Amino acid sequence: EAGVVQSPRYKIIEKKQPVAFWCNPISGHNTLYWYRQNLGQGPELLIRYENEEAVDDSQLPKDRFSAERLKGVDSTLKIQPAELGDSAVYLCASSSSIGRRKSSGNTIYFGEGSWLTVV
Amino acid sequence: KNQVEQSPQSLIILEGKNCTLQCNYTVSPFSNLRWYKQDTGRGPVSLTIMTFSENTKSNGRYTATLDADTKQSSLHITASQLSDSASYICVVSAYNAGKSTFGDGTTLTVKP
Repeated sequence: EAGVVQSPRYKIIEKKQPVAFWCNPISGHNTLYWYRQNLGQGPELLIRYENEEAVDDSQLPKDRFSAERLKGVDSTLKIQPAELGDSAVYLCASSSSIGRRKSSGNTIYFGEGSWLTVV
Repeated sequence: KNQVEQSPQSLIILEGKNCTLQCNYTVSPFSNLRWYKQDTGRGPVSLTIMTFSENTKSNGRYTATLDADTKQSSLHITASQLSDSASYICVVSAYNAGKSTFGDGTTLTVKP
């Protein structure tokens, strides 16, 4: 079974330029997450989708970040314009809430991440 | 505010030795706790998941414990190998909120 696929793996851009990341979740997973991870820290949630609906985007800097998951499958995360402080790893993850009790939790499967360097 | 604190921040051990990583949390109401392993340059991979009714779970040489009363968890690694060198992240989820709080991880280095 293919895991969560992200592209590009690495991206170097100049500040003020736009950048976009793409994610294809595990087939059948209805929940998709975008996280940002800085060096030496745990991932921080940017946005969570249930199917095509963004159910939690409270931590997404909406002035420059946008995301979409139009058909409830793959997703894109865009930054425009990028700032130096946006340099980080952007992790996409997915999980399935179908057929699970809420208390037992759903394992979140992560992609390999997109490493962004803004210079 | 829901928080997850991990200790130590980093740890160096010799190959073959055991070690224990700690995770304290304030997430409430508690739903489940996961330990992830993140190799350098890779995404996190799930090791264990425990609900409030489970106080220990093993995955090979990894054993996680959970004390829901004191809100503490530990990850014990037995007979460490060089490939255990990674960051270990504790993640705690709140019941019905769909939100998970991540710790900053413990960086483990296993030396020959």
